[in-house]
Amino acid sequence: KNEVEQSPQNLTAQEGEFITINCSYSVGISALHWLQQHPGGGIVSLFMLSSGKKKHGRLIATINIQEKHSSLHITASHPRDSAVYICAVRNYGGSQGNLIFGKGTKLSVKP
Amino acid sequence: EAGVAQSPRYKIIEKRQSVAFWCNPISGHATLYWYQQILGQGPKLLIQFQNNGVVDDSQLPKDRFSAERLKGVDSTLKIQPAKLEDSAVYLCASSKTGGYDSPLHFGNGTRLTVT
Repeated sequence: KNEVEQSPQNLTAQEGEFITINCSYSVGISALHWLQQHPGGGIVSLFMLSSGKKKHGRLIATINIQEKHSSLHITASHPRDSAVYICAVRNYGGSQGNLIFGKGTKLSVKP
Repeated sequence: EAGVAQSPRYKIIEKRQSVAFWCNPISGHATLYWYQQILGQGPKLLIQFQNNGVVDDSQLPKDRFSAERLKGVDSTLKIQPAKLEDSAVYLCASSKTGGYDSPLHFGNGTRLTVT
């Protein structure tokens, strides 16, 4: 079993829909990252969380430390949101760069 | 703020050849990371530098991979000799400090194909 599990693996949505991507992890963590990866390889860091909730534009990220679960929400989705969304955690004692990555959720938003 | 710069964007080499990748982090960022991302997998940390010192290179295949960050700014990752299984995207990232609350900024990566 992977230490970081994401669901769904693939998600197709219509423009304007509300989208939720889930991440569950099994290790103790000091931080959780949500990353966006577009075709061609570039990765953008969307959020880094250690508790609670963060919002940036149409993106909202929440984390429940007790349940070891995080969600990424996209409101009013748009085709430009199409990308792979990756959850990554840094476990206690690990170096900051030694993140444990989920396999990603491939999102496709249709116009 | 300029982002993390990487070059080249693409590289195709034959097995047993050598290759080098370059990364220039965001100005002022003390911490630099090299990741290897094989198709369909999440990135794997190869090496982490704090200024010009190595913090973590536990997953770097040292028989063929080497990396340096001599002046604590830009960095070079080298593979010599390359194997077919080295085909991957090599990502460079930087952060202001090595702290857990310091976000990572990624470059666009170098896609390596070994034939």
